[in-house]
This record gives sequence, structure tokens and C-alpha cells, in this order.
Amino acid sequence: GENVEQHPSTLSVQEGDSAVIKCTYSDSASNYFPWYKQELGKRPQLIIDIRSNVGEKKDQRIAVTLNKTAKHFSLHITETQPEDSAVYFCAASRDSGGGADGLTFGKGTHLIIQP
Amino acid sequence: DVKVTQSSRYLVKRTGEKVFLECVQDMDHENMFWYRQDPGLGLRLIYFSYDVKMKEKGDIPEGYSVSREKKERFSLILESASTNQTSMYLCASSLRVSGYEQYFGPGTRLTVT
Repeated sequence: GENVEQHPSTLSVQEGDSAVIKCTYSDSASNYFPWYKQELGKRPQLIIDIRSNVGEKKDQRIAVTLNKTAKHFSLHITETQPEDSAVYFCAASRDSGGGADGLTFGKGTHLIIQP
Repeated sequence: DVKVTQSSRYLVKRTGEKVFLECVQDMDHENMFWYRQDPGLGLRLIYFSYDVKMKEKGDIPEGYSVSREKKERFSLILESASTNQTSMYLCASSLRVSGYEQYFGPGTRLTVT
């Protein structure tokens, strides 16, 4: 089955700086890669996703890049703000056209924004 | 607005008890999922279902079963609860559409003593 590795487990950055979280996956058949943000005591929520036919996707301060050959993908957050503090999870899945069959998640990155 | 609800936020059960966790979604989603979340391990898929009465094993199905008798409801069953099943359980749902977001419920924190 799929295995997703995520690094680092904790990331502390100064407010206004950029943050990068990296993930690798093992199953070359995976084609859907979402990122979820989970604030303390709340449910995970999708912040951005990318499919394997795209190399990069941006949404305001958030971007995701995918290197299908190397089987790794990364989340980039620019101009970090206090509300970006949360745990971020990457995930991978096969999506054969009927939605993901269930996501394999990384273990999470606790992002801390220092004022 | 998508709403996924779970029957309990907190549950305490004894070892050996049969436990039912219920999940209901109100957006006519075909796909439903059960995950467990443990510190340092992230979220792990237990079972999922893409239609009524259909079920597929996820990565960690041992010790669990599921039931989907109605489209909006997906139940997770612990036949004989054990202490290593103490965890946060999260339900999710999505449309059966490529790349559609999975919406999560608030979670049930289950403690087995």
C-alpha cells in the first residue's frame, strides 16, 4: 500500500517569513495530493490540492509543488501570519474518477508562527 | 454548507464492550470514510464506503467493522473494544467526483478502560 513520509514534524518560523513542508510518497499510481490544516481541537480542513498532471498550484499565499518523477510534493506558505499556526497534513491517494478511495496521510507538521 | 456530524464527542467504554460510532452527512455524498487519529501517527484509514451496503477495507481494518444501510449514515463498530483502540475517530464524506474534497466530522474521542 501507499506510504507517505512528512517532514519536519515541527516547524517554527517568524511571522512574515515563509514556511515549507515536504512529503514523499511510495505508490507511483497515486495521482491526487491534498493538504489539510487542523487547528487545535478542530476538524481537518482542505486548504489546497494538486493532481499528478499538474506541477504547481497556487492559491493566494499558499502553493503546492509536485515532482512526480521523484515522488515528492511540498506545501509553501508565504508571508506567514499568526492564524497559520496549526498542524498540517499531506496526503496521497488514487483517484480513478470517482473520488479518492481513501487518503493515506503523513504524520503531520506542527507549524508555529513566532510573533 | 456541508455538515458531517458524529453521534458523540466523548465516549468511555470498558474492555470487551461492543461500541457503535455513528456518522451522518446531509449533502447526499456517495463516499464515506472512517479514520482514526493518534498523536504522532497522523490519520489512518480504517474503512470506506462508496455506496449503500458497500464497504472497502482501509489500512487498519483489524478489530473494526462498518455498516452502511442508508446513504447518509455510516457506522463504525468495535466488536470487542480493547485499550489499544483508545483514539480520536474521524468520519469524512465526499461526492463520488474526481478530486472532490473530503469533509470531516468533529470527531469522537473514545477511551477504552
